[in-house]
Amino acid sequence: DVKVTQSSRYLVKRTGEKVFLECVQDMDHENMFWYRQDPGLGLRLIYFSYDVKMKEKGDIPEGYSVSREKKERFSLILESASTNQTSMYLCASSKDRGSTDTQYFGPGTRLTVL
Amino acid sequence: AQSVTQPDIHITVSEGASLELRCNYSYGATPYLFWYVQSPGQGLQLLLKYFSGDTLVQGIKGFEAEFKRSQSSFNLRKPSVHWSDAAEYFCAVASPGGYNKLIFGAGTRLAVHP
Repeated sequence: DVKVTQSSRYLVKRTGEKVFLECVQDMDHENMFWYRQDPGLGLRLIYFSYDVKMKEKGDIPEGYSVSREKKERFSLILESASTNQTSMYLCASSKDRGSTDTQYFGPGTRLTVL
Repeated sequence: AQSVTQPDIHITVSEGASLELRCNYSYGATPYLFWYVQSPGQGLQLLLKYFSGDTLVQGIKGFEAEFKRSQSSFNLRKPSVHWSDAAEYFCAVASPGGYNKLIFGAGTRLAVHP
């Protein structure tokens, strides 16, 4: 089974702090994704990556950056956390670049910014 | 632009009753369609997907969905709901090819009464 793990289930940070959310997948997938989930809005794509050191903006990239130094690991960075970034963050991966297929999700990190 | 509408925010059914969750999409051609389920405190799990072929798709946990091109719909059904089906359900659409970017609906939260 594909396993996608996220570094924390719950995280509390203060406004202005730099925040790192980490995601690791163990199935050699090409694509990795970061979403945020908010009530009434569903999941919205922040960034995705289809290869090491490659990244593409999703629908809501403002205030976020990402890093993919190794194939299995995809990090989401909040350079200066703000209260409006309080949300559930979900990481996902899928197998092949250039094809549409099942995305496998991690359990999520619930981030609270005070 | 692609979009997904799930008209029902909350649905409550009795255990053993049938279930239909609605999903409408906006897309110029035939998209790839997905239903995911999110149990409390969990990440998303794929229930079923439609890419082409038979418009009635069978999934896990006894769920099925029917693609209706004329109605731009992909409704999820289950003939007899179990208490463990209480969860949030997300419909998603993707364009064939590309980088597997999914557009999610806002979700439908299902409650099951005993």
